[in-house]
Amino acid sequence: AQRVTQPEKLLSVFKGAPVELKCNYSYSGSPELFWYVQYSRQRLQLLLRHISRESIKGFTADLNKGETSFHLKKPFAQEEDSAMYYCAPYTGGFKTIFGAGTRLFVKA
Amino acid sequence: EPEVTQTPSHQVTQMGQEVILRCVPISNHLYFYWYRQILGQKVEFLVSFYNNEISEKSEIFDDQFSVERPDGSNFTLKIRSTKLEDSAMYFCASSPQGITFFGPGTRLTVL
Repeated sequence: AQRVTQPEKLLSVFKGAPVELKCNYSYSGSPELFWYVQYSRQRLQLLLRHISRESIKGFTADLNKGETSFHLKKPFAQEEDSAMYYCAPYTGGFKTIFGAGTRLFVKA
Repeated sequence: EPEVTQTPSHQVTQMGQEVILRCVPISNHLYFYWYRQILGQKVEFLVSFYNNEISEKSEIFDDQFSVERPDGSNFTLKIRSTKLEDSAMYFCASSPQGITFFGPGTRLTVL
C-alpha cells in the first residue's frame, strides 16, 4: 500500500540546535517528494522538493531510495522555524498524499 | 504572485444544512483539489478534478459531497447535508502538476 510515515508528532529543540524531521515512504515507482510547511495561521506552502536539491531557509532534504526516506534537516534551528511540517509524495497521479505531520517547536 | 483564494474564511452552519465552499484556483493550473483537516489531525485528500471531471476521490468523499467548476475561474465543494463530523478546515488547492498550491482554507463549523 502507498504510505508515508512521519514518526514524530512533536519535535522540540533549542534554538541553534540541529533538527531532523523524519519521513519514510512506501510507494511503487519513483515518487517525487516534497516537504510542505504550515506556519501558525498561514496556509500550507511548499518548502522544498527533492528534484531541485535546493536549500530553503537553511533546510535540506535528501532522498534515500535505499531506505525510502526523505528526512528534512537543518543544522541550526531558529525560533521562526516553529511550524507544522508535512512530508508529501507525489506519484504522478491526481493527488499529493500528506504524512501525519511533525510539529516542530524551537525553544529560545 | 498568483495565489489560490477561498471564501468564506469561516462558515458556521446547522447540522443537516447544505454548504458551498468556494475557491478560485490559480488561473493557468489544470488540476484542482479539495483537502480537509480536522482539528489536531493530518491533512486528508478528498477529491481531485481535472478536465472538468473528478479524477480521483477518497473514501471520505461520499454522496454527500460534490464538486463543480461552474465557470472558468471558480471551483466549489458542496456538502449536501452537513454532519457534526464535517467540522474541519477545508483547503482548496491547484497544481500545474506536481507542486500543489494551497488556499488559506475555510473553517467549517457544524453545530
